[in-house]
Amino acid sequence: GNSVTQMEGPVTLSEEAFLTINCTYTATGYPSLFWYVQYPGEGLQLLLKATKADDKGSNKGFEATYRKETTSFHLEKGSVQVSDSAVYFCALRSGTGGFKTIFGAGTRLFVKA
Amino acid sequence: NAGVTQTPKFQVLKTGQSMTLQCAQDMNHNSMYWYRQDPGMGLRLIYYSASEGTTDKGEVPNGYNVSRLNKREFSLRLESAAPSQTSVYFCASTQVRTQETQYFGPGTRLLVL
Repeated sequence: GNSVTQMEGPVTLSEEAFLTINCTYTATGYPSLFWYVQYPGEGLQLLLKATKADDKGSNKGFEATYRKETTSFHLEKGSVQVSDSAVYFCALRSGTGGFKTIFGAGTRLFVKA
Repeated sequence: NAGVTQTPKFQVLKTGQSMTLQCAQDMNHNSMYWYRQDPGMGLRLIYYSASEGTTDKGEVPNGYNVSRLNKREFSLRLESAAPSQTSVYFCASTQVRTQETQYFGPGTRLLVL
């Protein structure tokens, strides 16, 4: 079945550091890939998405590229801020999976001033 | 627009008690979902409703029932709560079942003693 694996946290960085959160997936067909973010006390919200191979999703300085050859969708940001402290979830959604969204376990990010 | 709202925000139950978690959306979405979020496991789908009048089991439906009361509201019921149901519960919605981006409520934190 479809699955998502992302790096375990927590990840602790200083402000302005470079961020990478790894995500790999297993899926049949051609899934769409997502990064959702959950700020403290809130629900998940979409951060970015990519719907086909080699697409790059971007938002708020975050980027991720859909790599079919390595089945990966790593999240990156060049310079993190304290306000980026949150839990980040990688996810996929596929028609062959009944259009259900499969989430990774989440990676908590702490950014220190 | 309030988006997706959930009540209550927090609840403590004793083993064997029952309760209903409420969810409503004001975006005129057709599809609604209930997830549970547990540490290290990401979000798992409990039940979903592709459209008004239909409900289907997700990955972890045991111990739960749902009602799609109307297009706006989708409730989750625990008939006899167990400690294993201690979790954070999220409701989400999409315009249609095939739409990719999900919109989440703020969550209900449930503790079963």
